Amino acid sequence: ILNVEQSPQSLHVQEGDSTNFTCSFPSSNFYALHWYRWETAKSPEALFVMTLNGDEKKKGRISATLNTKEGYSYLYIKGSQPEDSATYLCAHLTGANNLFFGTGTRLTVIP
Amino acid sequence: DTGVSQDPRHKITKRGQNVTFRCDPISEHNRLYWYRQTLGQGPEFLTYFQNEAQLEKSRLLSDRFSAERPKGSFSTLEIQRTEQGDSAMYLCASSSQRYTEAFFGQGTRLTVV
Repeated sequence: ILNVEQSPQSLHVQEGDSTNFTCSFPSSNFYALHWYRWETAKSPEALFVMTLNGDEKKKGRISATLNTKEGYSYLYIKGSQPEDSATYLCAHLTGANNLFFGTGTRLTVIP
Repeated sequence: DTGVSQDPRHKITKRGQNVTFRCDPISEHNRLYWYRQTLGQGPEFLTYFQNEAQLEKSRLLSDRFSAERPKGSFSTLEIQRTEQGDSAMYLCASSSQRYTEAFFGQGTRLTVV
């Protein structure tokens, strides 16, 4: 994998459903993996910064895991709420301190 | 200092004109990034500064684009001879250390007519 790739591109879920997204990134030249939430008309805001293989982080109903050897990270949302509707971006921080983003997963939670 | 600020928020310009955007990062942040975002895409990396040094520039960035960070504080992004394809949201972000998150400004939306 040469670039940061995210899937799915968009997702519609019912309120209360749990969901997850995937971020794939180059496993070489890895320094950190970032997750951001980007709500309409706002700036992207950081959710997690993960650096170690096997890292798991949690913030409320949102959690993330990291596998640096195979180059992927999962973001999980438990019991989705309408306020979770946003675009979720992941970004790969390289050894040169460049921060490369994926195209994002647009989540819509239907009340 | 409440965050990263960008100016202007919106810019409409005629094709062929030059435009300049400004980004003021969080004051203690030494890393500064510029991104371009178009509809349906994630932020596309343009360039990166550590203090006043421009350490990386995207190969996708044409010679019409230039960025500066003269004193390691605010940064400017200039686009010369704008084209309609330059219409996008231009985002600036800053961070303090390698393993900390980036903080984004609200962006400058450029429309070239």
